[in-house]
Amino acid sequence: DAGVTQSPTHLIKTRGQQVTLRCSPISGHKSVSWYQQVLGQGPQFIFQYYEKEERGRGNFPDRFSARQFPNYSSELNVNALLLGDSALYLCASSLVQGGTEAFFGQGTRLTVV
Amino acid sequence: GIQVEQSPPDLILQEGANSTLRCNFSDSVNNLQWFHQNPWGQLINLFYIPSGTKQNGRLSATTVATERYSLLYISSSQTTDSGVYFCAVVQRTGANSKLTFGKGITLSVRP
Repeated sequence: DAGVTQSPTHLIKTRGQQVTLRCSPISGHKSVSWYQQVLGQGPQFIFQYYEKEERGRGNFPDRFSARQFPNYSSELNVNALLLGDSALYLCASSLVQGGTEAFFGQGTRLTVV
Repeated sequence: GIQVEQSPPDLILQEGANSTLRCNFSDSVNNLQWFHQNPWGQLINLFYIPSGTKQNGRLSATTVATERYSLLYISSSQTTDSGVYFCAVVQRTGANSKLTFGKGITLSVRP
């Protein structure tokens, strides 16, 4: 079975541009979460979606938005990119909400220049 | 929110040595996971262990939920064990099931 897949794997954008990152969860998993990891730190929670509804949001500005589709895949959008948005963006998939085991994709490495 | 502290921050071992990585957390948890982050950034699941003890080959983990800590044991370490190890928890009283990560432990195993 396929694990969590993210696309693209690498991305270079210019300040002020917009970016869309994509995630497909493990088949049968209904919860998708997004995390940002900057160099030397642990991942930080951005969003959680379960059954296509936002169930949690971390301490990130409104430039960050996300959605979950009927097939449970998800997109993370970041507008008006800043240099500080350069990071590894990780998507996690879990069966249901509520503390079940989470599985991560390989990540999208975003560089803003 | 819940705090997660990992120690030591860095660990250097000779191949074949054993090690213990520690994770302390500040509140009751529904979920605790240990991950190994490979050089390409992917988080590899090691253990899902909100309580009790589990073993998988040379690795084992113990979580004592009542005392709010977890330990990851690596025996007979190999160079391929090098990398960053993260502990992450889901707070029991939280409104969602977000994972809160520690800062990680960087392990270097020398041949």
